[in-house]
Amino acid sequence: EADIYQTPRYLVIGTGKKITLECSQTMGHDKMYWYQQDPGMELHLIHYSYGVNSTEKGDLSSESTVSRIRTEHFPLTLESARPSHTSQYLCASSESGTGSGNTIYFGEGSWLTVV
Amino acid sequence: AQSVTQLGSHVSVSEGALVLLRCNYSSSVPPYLFWYVQYPNQGLQLLLKYTSAATLVKGINGFEAEFKKSETSFHLTKPSAHMSDAAEYFCAVSDPGGYQKVTFGTGTKLQVIP
Repeated sequence: EADIYQTPRYLVIGTGKKITLECSQTMGHDKMYWYQQDPGMELHLIHYSYGVNSTEKGDLSSESTVSRIRTEHFPLTLESARPSHTSQYLCASSESGTGSGNTIYFGEGSWLTVV
Repeated sequence: AQSVTQLGSHVSVSEGALVLLRCNYSSSVPPYLFWYVQYPNQGLQLLLKYTSAATLVKGINGFEAEFKKSETSFHLTKPSAHMSDAAEYFCAVSDPGGYQKVTFGTGTKLQVIP
């Protein structure tokens, strides 16, 4: 069973506000990911990290930023939220090592609405 | 390079009928394959995974999938659909070493009709 936690689960904020979505995992996984998903749509990888102080942009361009100062923590920040940022954000993690095959475990998601 | 194709963005079945969700993959190395389920307003939950052992993989909630190398397929099945199976299902592919990022399909929404 995966132990990956996201807060807040639901958030409504005004345009121009700064927001940080928190994500923590207790499995000691090296790899962590942020996906963006609109309702009923496919997943888009926006950020990933293969370890502390390592962050990379994903396949979909995003105005958000991430940091990885601790193994277990991978927060995502929007400096100035816009209505186009309204979406579900899914945090995930996986372990490294040959044979792990990158089995990814997901948090329950953070629903962001920007008004 | 690797990719996944899920045939049918929407599938409807009657309660008690067979569920068949299709997934075809492309990979330059022997792949690991996954099926995930997503219920409304939740994250993705791992249903099952193929890791080069038995080609028929059993997962949670009565689902199973069969790896067919000759057809490059990994279709998900369940003999008898239940109302609680209504959800979105995602197929995914990775390489065993985990050097490549996991690639997800575009998802198939399963509707179960009473």
